[in-house]
Amino acid sequence: GENVEQHPSTLSVQEGDSAVIKCTYSDSASNYFPWYKQELGKRPQLIIDIRSNVGEKKDQRIAVTLNKTAKHFSLHITETQPEDSAVYFCAASRGNYQLIWGAGTKLIIKP
Amino acid sequence: DTAVSQTPKYLVTQMGNDKSIKCEQNLGHDTMYWYKQDSKKFLKIMFSYNNKELIINETVPNRFSPKSPDKAHLNLHINSLELGDSAVYFCASSQSSGGWYEQYFGPGTRLTVT
Repeated sequence: GENVEQHPSTLSVQEGDSAVIKCTYSDSASNYFPWYKQELGKRPQLIIDIRSNVGEKKDQRIAVTLNKTAKHFSLHITETQPEDSAVYFCAASRGNYQLIWGAGTKLIIKP
Repeated sequence: DTAVSQTPKYLVTQMGNDKSIKCEQNLGHDTMYWYKQDSKKFLKIMFSYNNKELIINETVPNRFSPKSPDKAHLNLHINSLELGDSAVYFCASSQSSGGWYEQYFGPGTRLTVT
């Protein structure tokens, strides 16, 4: 069945450096790719999303790139800060109502 | 102004008991979801309702039964609780007409089965 692979499972970066999380998906019909951030003990919250008619989207220090041919998309966080520490989930749409979720990446920002 | 709310926040119960979790959204969304997040943090979709109609029912044991009395509410009833049911359960909602939109999650219900 359709799945989304997310790498790495844990990422540790020095404060101020950049972080990149990558996801690959299998369903060529997927057309919506959100990224959610979940801080410890909190709910997942959308931080950025991209649709299949766009190759890149930026929002301040966060950017997402999409390569539909290769079926992968990536989250880029620049100038990382302590508050960026969290678990990040990627997802890909399946049909009209379901998201297929990646397994999550724990991002650790070292001071 | 809570967008998606769940009750209770914590639920500790013994094996074999029956329990319910309630979810309400005041965003006017027409699609609601139940997710299970286990100790490894993996988010697993359980059910999805659109306009009170069940549209997604993943491989969830029959002991789990969702009920949507109206578009703003989606409750989850669990019969004969087992140790493996211990997890955090999240309710979520989204607008769904005309394409894909953000899913808004509730605060979660931490279920512990002893």
